[in-house]
Order: sequence, then structure tokens, then C-alpha cells
Amino acid sequence: GAVVSQHPSRVICKSGTSVKIECRSLDFQATTMFWYRQFPKKSLMLMATSNEGSKATYEQGVEKDKFLINHASLTLSTLTVTSAHPEDSSFYICSARVGAGVNEQFFGPGTRLTVL
Amino acid sequence: GQNIDQPTEMTATEGAIVQINCTYQTSGFNGLFWYQQHAGEAPTFLSYNVLDGLEEKGRFSSFLSRSKGYSYLLLKELQMKDSASYLCAAGSLGRLYFGRGTQLTVWP
Repeated sequence: GAVVSQHPSRVICKSGTSVKIECRSLDFQATTMFWYRQFPKKSLMLMATSNEGSKATYEQGVEKDKFLINHASLTLSTLTVTSAHPEDSSFYICSARVGAGVNEQFFGPGTRLTVL
Repeated sequence: GQNIDQPTEMTATEGAIVQINCTYQTSGFNGLFWYQQHAGEAPTFLSYNVLDGLEEKGRFSSFLSRSKGYSYLLLKELQMKDSASYLCAAGSLGRLYFGRGTQLTVWP
């Protein structure tokens, strides 16, 4: 149980375009999902907390207009990188928390974004 | 703010024991997690400590001292497949804040 999927696994796009990444909890309902980005040989940096039915909470320094997060249902959160630039190239990972008051998070397989 | 610190790299030989240390400073602390991550893959959960002391799970054990802001992950009977990055993460107000990860290389 507690499987999280991401789509796509890899995406290459041109500078200036927007890219949408989906995160789904396959066998449980996730009221809270999280989005991270990871640079090579670096750790995961929390970008935002995505709450079903409400606005995402962004970490300090993360541009909310650049990284649009939507959590329309209990099993789906999306991250849209708007007007992507080469410096947005990274590994984006989502995670989902199984329930309220539970700290453990289950991670998706990640999405490798390359902006040319 | 959050500050999670762990060594960048460690090496060990097959069959040995290795201890990966982690220190943390965070507000609203509510638990310490260890994850394993292979290159290009998602992190997988290893252990969770919320109370002081040692939690043992097979070849892996994790220790927490809340008063010292300190944790370690102990890996016994090392195998080649244990070569990976080990991430320490502090839980704070429902979120996880990660250290940079310790890249462990196991040699035959």
C-alpha cells in the first residue's frame, strides 16, 4: 500500500514553455501532498505543501507564480512550472502523507525536467 | 529556520558496520526520519524516531536524542546493495526538512 505515482517521469521542454507534473496517490487518499526539488548530489528541498481544496503553502524563497500547485482531489496534485528556464531543470519529487497527524511521507518516483 | 547536518560521504567494506550521524535544529520538532535514496530514484523510508532511544529494524537501527538534537543510523552487515544516499529528515509542523544526504559507498 501507500503507492505514489508521478507523470511524466522525464520531460524535455523549450525555454519559455510551461510544464505540468502530476502526482497521484494510487491506493489511499492524501489530504496533504508535498513538492520537492533536488539538484544533483544535493538533498531534497521542500518547495510547497499542497492541501486538497485550498491554496498551497510555499516555502520561503519559492515563487508561487512560477510554480503553480493545484490539489483538486484527494488523490491528485499537480505542479506546473510556468515559463520554464534552464535553471528550472531539476528532479522534482512529490510525496503524500497518509493521514492527519501522521508524519511519514511516501514519495513518488520523481520527474526529471530538462529545459533547453 | 531549519538546519539539518550530516556528513557528505562515507565509505565502508562489505560485512562491516557503519554509523551515519545527523544533527538538527528545528522548531516544532516532531520526529526524525531516515530515508534511503538510490541515484535517480525516489527516497524510500527506513526509520522514524519520535522518542529518545534506539529503534532496531533488522540490519538497520536508528537512535535519537532530542535534548542533543542528534540522531544516527546504524547499518550492520553491510552489503553492496547498501551503497546509496542516506537522508536524515526532521519533521516539523507536519513537514519534512532534509539534510543534504550522506553518500555511502560499500566496497567488496
